[in-house]
Amino acid sequence: ETGVTQSPTHLIKTRGQQVTLRCSSQSGHNTVSWYQQALGQGPQFIFQYYREEENGRGNFPPRFSGLQFPNYSSELNVNALELDDSALYLCASSLSANTDTQYFGPGTRLTVL
Amino acid sequence: TQLLEQSPQFLSIQEGENLTVYCNSSSVFSSLQWYRQEPGEGPVLLVTVVTGGEVKKLKRLTFQFGDARKDSSLHITAAQPGDTGLYLCAGARWTNAGKSTFGDGTTLTVKP
Repeated sequence: ETGVTQSPTHLIKTRGQQVTLRCSSQSGHNTVSWYQQALGQGPQFIFQYYREEENGRGNFPPRFSGLQFPNYSSELNVNALELDDSALYLCASSLSANTDTQYFGPGTRLTVL
Repeated sequence: TQLLEQSPQFLSIQEGENLTVYCNSSSVFSSLQWYRQEPGEGPVLLVTVVTGGEVKKLKRLTFQFGDARKDSSLHITAAQPGDTGLYLCAGARWTNAGKSTFGDGTTLTVKP
């Protein structure tokens, strides 16, 4: 139990739709990173938020966007869903943006039909 | 682009056997983490190594960070069925703390 929670657990959408995934970070952690994990692969870094500002982004298109709130919880938004967006979406919280140690939530399984 | 290659991709052994899995890269990392992930769940952090040549032990698990900080290994002694899972390594660089690059993992199955 890492103290990081994500919702929803599972989600089914169709191509072209939009989706919002939510993450509540561990108490005291001000940094949240989002990862996409396709089946059979390791997680790929999407972006990181530190104190409500984007603090680095991986190789993902602009239709992947995020928010971090004053309580350090976070959202991942994906517009114009594509079939290849089907994956497990993981958020990870860390004590600060200067630490490599992250604690992952259980993930949201997104299926795009 | 930093790449972390993990080997073997799949490993199936009998309970009681020893095993080693590897994580290799051509890039230098400021730290490297090992995680274990079960199906449908998020990765669970096992260890972080930060010093070249560092060895850390966690019960039957021994983690080593290469002298050049480009590679790492995980050795499990007397594997048990509860060790079954996906073992992932992840590396981070000094200017990209927390923005980890993951390998694709080693899927370990320990048969009773």
